[in-house]
Amino acid sequence: EVQLVESGGGLIQPGGSLRLSCAASGFTVSTNYMNWFRQAPGKGLEWVSVIYPSGRTYYSDSVKGRFTISRDNSENTLYLQMSSLRPEDTAVYYCARDVTSSLVFDLWGRGTLVTVSS
Amino acid sequence: DIQVTQSPSSLSASVGERVTITCRGSQSKFLNWYQHKSGKAPKLLIYGASNLQSGVPSRFSGSASGTEFTLTISSLQPEDFATYYCQQSHSTPPTFGQGTRLDMK
Repeated sequence: EVQLVESGGGLIQPGGSLRLSCAASGFTVSTNYMNWFRQAPGKGLEWVSVIYPSGRTYYSDSVKGRFTISRDNSENTLYLQMSSLRPEDTAVYYCARDVTSSLVFDLWGRGTLVTVSS
Repeated sequence: DIQVTQSPSSLSASVGERVTITCRGSQSKFLNWYQHKSGKAPKLLIYGASNLQSGVPSRFSGSASGTEFTLTISSLQPEDFATYYCQQSHSTPPTFGQGTRLDMK
């Protein structure tokens, strides 16, 4: 079955770090444009980051310098390393696939909740 | 960033009704529609303004007129009650409308 499954969310104090994982099955992460999105409570969907098949990475201004996207080709898994976390980073985080860099996201995971609070 | 405006923010309807949701702000055909149910993965319904994603029922359709885009559900089914989002794919970063929550009347 083709799917994405996120994990790694939880409660973390401001200033802390957390690593999210997105395990893919049924397709190869490294040949697709893999993205992270988030949705804060009561808010809309927000794009966070993308990693290209080439390994090139891009970030939203709100997380640049604090978050790092990466992948493990042997595990077929996407990651989001989050550091210097702030209360405004509280959100459900989703990974999603873009097959052709068309900014059309045809496969999503169910998300993992990150809560940044003391 | 391209701002995308979606309306209405909420909508109540009955099974069998025809429903339309509108989105403004993208350019040309670069507009996609997603369905999201709480606790589930968002689902791509329509891409390129009017192209039905594989496996999506034909009661869903999308259209465009200038910079106004419409998602239509021709005859609501019980499984269609969800939140719907439009998203512009004209330029990075991709941006979304604020969502339309569709619930049962």
